[in-house]
Amino acid sequence: EAAVTQSPRNKVTVTGGNVTLSCRQTNSHNYMYWYRQDTGHGLRLIHYSYGAGNLQIGDVPDGYKATRTTQEDFFLLLELASPSQTSLYFCASSDAGGDNYAEQFFGPGTRLTVL
Amino acid sequence: GDSVTQTEGQVALSEEDFLTIHCNYSASGYPALFWYVQYPGEGPQFLFRASRDKEKGSSRGFEATYNKEATSFHLQKASVQESDSAVYYCALSDRDMGYKLTFGTGTSLLVDP
Repeated sequence: EAAVTQSPRNKVTVTGGNVTLSCRQTNSHNYMYWYRQDTGHGLRLIHYSYGAGNLQIGDVPDGYKATRTTQEDFFLLLELASPSQTSLYFCASSDAGGDNYAEQFFGPGTRLTVL
Repeated sequence: GDSVTQTEGQVALSEEDFLTIHCNYSASGYPALFWYVQYPGEGPQFLFRASRDKEKGSSRGFEATYNKEATSFHLQKASVQESDSAVYYCALSDRDMGYKLTFGTGTSLLVDP
């Protein structure tokens, strides 16, 4: 069974604070993704990576950095958090490539509140 | 850019009713189309996909057919159960952008027993 874990599950910070969200997958997947979920918008891609050391920009990257340190670990960094970044964040992984549009496996989510 | 439109924000049905959730897409290329389901407190789960025109995807009694001409991938189920209550997302996958998923805004399904 594919496994994606996220930590912390809940986080409260203040405006201007520094936050790191962590994601680990044990699927040996190449691709990893960070999404945010907001009412009325569905899920939107922030950043993604196709391997350790690689980073690609998603659709809503402003205010976010990310780093893929290993095949398993993908981090999302908010260096100056703002209230507009209050959201539910999901990490996902997939084994896509070529003509293989593989499904993505999602973690349980991290609820971030920026006061 | 690519986009997915789900017209129903909420659907309320009784058990054994027929379900249709509409999904239309706009894409420059030839995307794969997906349905995901999300239960409260969980991340989205893959339901099924279709990768080419006229292909039918199905799982757990749900099904949808890729219609390239109509740019649609409507979700249907013949007889819903209370356990089907969840949020359903239609999505497309873009190979040129790392197979990222572009999601619709979701449809909340509530099934009364």
